[in-house]
Amino acid sequence: EPEVTQTPSHQVTQMGQEVILRCVPISNHLYFYWYRQILGQKVEFLVSFYNNEISEKSEIFDDQFSVERPDGSNFTLKIRSTKLEDSAMYFCASTVTSGGTGELFFGEGSRLTVL
Amino acid sequence: GESVGLHLPTLSVQEGDNSIINCAYSNSASDYFIWYKQESGKGPQFIIDIRSNMDKRQGQRVTVLLNKTVKHLSLQIAATQPGDSAVYFCAENSYSGAGSYQLTFGKGTKLSVIP
Repeated sequence: EPEVTQTPSHQVTQMGQEVILRCVPISNHLYFYWYRQILGQKVEFLVSFYNNEISEKSEIFDDQFSVERPDGSNFTLKIRSTKLEDSAMYFCASTVTSGGTGELFFGEGSRLTVL
Repeated sequence: GESVGLHLPTLSVQEGDNSIINCAYSNSASDYFIWYKQESGKGPQFIIDIRSNMDKRQGQRVTVLLNKTVKHLSLQIAATQPGDSAVYFCAENSYSGAGSYQLTFGKGTKLSVIP
């Protein structure tokens, strides 16, 4: 069964450092997403990406965040200068359809710990 | 603001019994709802979805019920098994028309199955 893969599974970084989280969405999917989940809390939408540009973003997704699809397979989330409160699980997701219906496939997540 | 929430944070059931997990939503404009299962250390896994023009949908051992009058969603799991132990999230699609998913997740209900 096709799956969304994410790397690294866990990253520890110092406050103020840049972090790049990587995702390989399912190959025929067109819409890509990042969500995050702070420990013990609900999953929160960060950003959606389609046709090489951001479709929507939440208020969490400020100027410190950026996304990129550098090639035909990878989808990355960059945090420019990490803060303690960025510590969370970051989930990449993809879907073949546009908003409305269809299954959104999530990866296993990348745990970010900011010290 | 609009939100999706869960009535019960924890639920313990005996193996073989049926489980019912409830969810309240407040965005009357939402037209698509999804239930996700999240096992420890993993990403959300799609279980079943329902559009607002339906009030019931069945899958394998799972049924989702939607009551638009009271803005209530429930997930029924028949013959609950130990492997069903997980956190269950309901989510609604805040489709803004930009062509992508922007799921709003509830807080989650932890289901524990007693062998």
